[in-house]
Parts: sequence; structure tokens; C-alpha cells
Amino acid sequence: GESVGLHLPTLSVQEGDNSIINCAYSNSASDYFIWYKQESGKGPQFIIDIRSNMDKRQGQRVTVLLNKTVKHLSLQIAATQPGDSAVYFCAENPGSGTYKYIFGTGTRLKVLA
Amino acid sequence: EPEVTQTPSHQVTQMGQEVILRCVPISNHLYFYWYRQILGQKVEFLVSFYNNEISEKSEIFDDQFSVERPDGSNFTLKIRSTKLEDSAMYFCASRGRDSEYFGPGTRLTVL
Repeated sequence: GESVGLHLPTLSVQEGDNSIINCAYSNSASDYFIWYKQESGKGPQFIIDIRSNMDKRQGQRVTVLLNKTVKHLSLQIAATQPGDSAVYFCAENPGSGTYKYIFGTGTRLKVLA
Repeated sequence: EPEVTQTPSHQVTQMGQEVILRCVPISNHLYFYWYRQILGQKVEFLVSFYNNEISEKSEIFDDQFSVERPDGSNFTLKIRSTKLEDSAMYFCASRGRDSEYFGPGTRLTVL
């Protein structure tokens, strides 16, 4: 149940370091964004979301930054732990009350001990 | 912690056969969804369901697909005549006040 495509970008970080995962979204009208974590054999798990009227939102050890000018979203994970190893992808809601989320391809995060 | 469950975890079927994928959403949720993920590709929206009817569907969700909430707990996705290209992971999700919760998925293999 994971994005295991041959061309999935991979980010390797040392345990304890901070991780930054990036996502470029496609629709300038998108008004809501979600970051998901997908571990091997599992469904996507909600991490954090942000609305387009914000540029930053913080959760527990995670921060999402939104730059609407360049249609860019990032997920920052502080003090990365082995349990953070997974595929991370963003999803955008194109707006106008739709639930037809558009999902990104994903980035594989590998945490090195 | 409440969770979305899906059965079966893996379904193998012959091309042209009908399959029904089952989901039990979180009990107090009102919005339900089906997504699919073909191996190596992105998660794709299929359909959303609210108040016992389809609220939105994607171009993928053609006449071969249908959804049903036959009772107060189950939410099913039926594919009437499976094609090879229907092989994928199918995820059910339900939405609460704050976020969507995904099930673990059903891997459908069409031979």
C-alpha cells in the first residue's frame, strides 16, 4: 500500500536531524492542503493540514509551510526518528467545495541510525 | 483509537468478474470515500459519499463502479466487470470533523 514507483525521490537523514520534504502543487485555486504519511502495507495517515489563508502551521514535531506565490508546500519534521521512515505525500483540494483531492507522487524518507 | 477497516486485504479475480470491496468506516463519521493507488503511481480519488448518495465522482468512476452503504456500518465498492487495469490498492476513507482516516487498503489483482 505504498508509492513504490521506481522514480520516487528519496530523502535520507540521520536520526535526530531535521527533515524537509517538498511538494509542488498544480492548481493556484487550491485552498486546502494535507500532508500524509504512508508506511509499508498501510493506508495514508493524516499528519497535518493547512488552509490557503495561512503560510505556516505547526503540529507536534511537524511544521507545514505554504508558499502560494510559487505553489510550493513543505513539511518539516524536527528531530527525525526511525519511526518517521515512510513515504510522505501532499494532497491539494482544488477548491469550490470539491473533495476531489489531487495527490502528489511522494517522497520516501529514510532515517539512518 | 477508532480506525477504518477493510476486507479483504487481498482479492484476486479473473478479468470480467465482479468484485465487492468492503469497508467499515469510523462509526460517527458522515463522509466516506474510495481511492485507488495503482502500483508505482499516485493515489487517485474515485468517489465521495454523503447522506446515502454519491456527492462527487472522478472520471475513473464509470458505470462499472458503484458504491453502497447497505447498512449502518458497511460501505462497499463494487466493480461489475473487472479489467486488468483495475489492479490496484483500493483505500476507503471516512472523514470526521478534523481529518480523513484511511483504511489499510485492499489489494485487487485482476488476472
